[in-house]
Parts: sequence; C-alpha cells; structure tokens
Amino acid sequence: DAGVTQSPTHLIKTRGQQVTLRCSPKSGHDTVSWYQQALGQGPQFIFQYYEEEERQRGNFPDRFSGHQFPNYSSELNVNALLLGDSALYLCASRPWDREETQYFGPGTRLLVL
Amino acid sequence: AQSVTQPDIHITVSEGASLELRCNYSYGATPYLFWYVQSPGQGLQLLLKYFSGDTLVQGIKGFEAEFKRSQSSFNLRKPSVHWSDDAEYFCAVGTLFSGGYNKLIFGAGTRLAVHP
Repeated sequence: DAGVTQSPTHLIKTRGQQVTLRCSPKSGHDTVSWYQQALGQGPQFIFQYYEEEERQRGNFPDRFSGHQFPNYSSELNVNALLLGDSALYLCASRPWDREETQYFGPGTRLLVL
Repeated sequence: AQSVTQPDIHITVSEGASLELRCNYSYGATPYLFWYVQSPGQGLQLLLKYFSGDTLVQGIKGFEAEFKRSQSSFNLRKPSVHWSDDAEYFCAVGTLFSGGYNKLIFGAGTRLAVHP
C-alpha cells in the first residue's frame, strides 16, 4: 500500500515564473491538504481539497491555487513566484468522514532564485 | 485564535538520557493533538496522537505524551533517547470540523540533538 507520494522532489525556478506541484494521496483517502514549510519553521496550512473543491484555505494569497482530480490526486500551483516562496511543500491526505490521522508525503523542495 | 507553542527551540541530550519536549496549545474546544518527527530533508512522520480517552498516549519508537487540559499542554517524553532520535519534533493541534478535523496548526518545532 503506497503512502502519499509527491513530485517532483526538488525544483528550481526564478522569480516571476509559475510552478505546479503534484500529490497522490494514500490509498483510501479522498481529502488532500497542502502545507508550506519555510526553513526553520513549522508547516503552515495552505488549503484543503475534497470532492474536487477547495474546502478551507489558510492565509495565503491568490497566487496559490489548487486542483483535485476525480482520482483524488491534487496539484498545487503558484504563480508569479517570489523569493519568499522558497520552501518545502508538503501534501497530506486523510479520509474526509473519519477521525483519522493525516499522512504526509516526503515533500517537494522549491527554490526560487 | 488557535495556536501551538513549543518553548524550546533546541535541546541537546546525551544518548540514554531521558527526554521531555514541551508543547502548549490554545484552542477553544477539545483538541485533537499530535506529535510529528521530521528527519533532515524528510517529510513528517506521526509519533502519536490524542483524540479522546486516556490522557497518556503511547506512540512509536518508545515515545509517549500526556494531555493535561488544565495546563493546555501535551508534552512528549521518552525514558531513554537513542542516537536515531536526532531530528526536529513538531507538536500540532487539529481544528475541529464536522466529520473530523480539517487542518493542522503546527508549532515552530524543537530541534533535538543527541550526543553519544
């Protein structure tokens, strides 16, 4: 049983570019959340997707957007990249209707130059 | 507003010594509480969780934590630290939502260094 997978593992972009990160949830999970972890900090909630809709959003600008596909996988898109967007981006999944733990993927390390 | 405070940014212990990592939370309802561990360059691995019931919870790798509502604390303990415990530790609270919790609020983390 595969856990949460993310791609790519590392990415380098320049300011102003756009980036797309991908996440496949753990088998049996239908809810995906995205977190940003800046260096030396704890993860911060970006948004959560269920049934292909954004259900809740953290304090992030509209440059951050997402999508969930019918197979429950998800994408995180960031437009007009800033240097401050450099971080580890973590994806987490869980079943929507059960009190279960969120399982995290290994993350995508994004560096903006 | 909900928040999690980990007062200790960095802790150093000798291998074999006992360990306690502190965590305080601010949340208006009964919290869902978690401890995660992160090794360098890795994602987050769940150590243990508290949803309800017994306030002393056991986790993986010999860790345990105690929920104290009166102190708004959820401290992580281990009686004897191993060199492989050298990592970053995050405490988190899950905010409640119909059908379960909907997001995690993390503390800033405690970096644990284990000396031989």
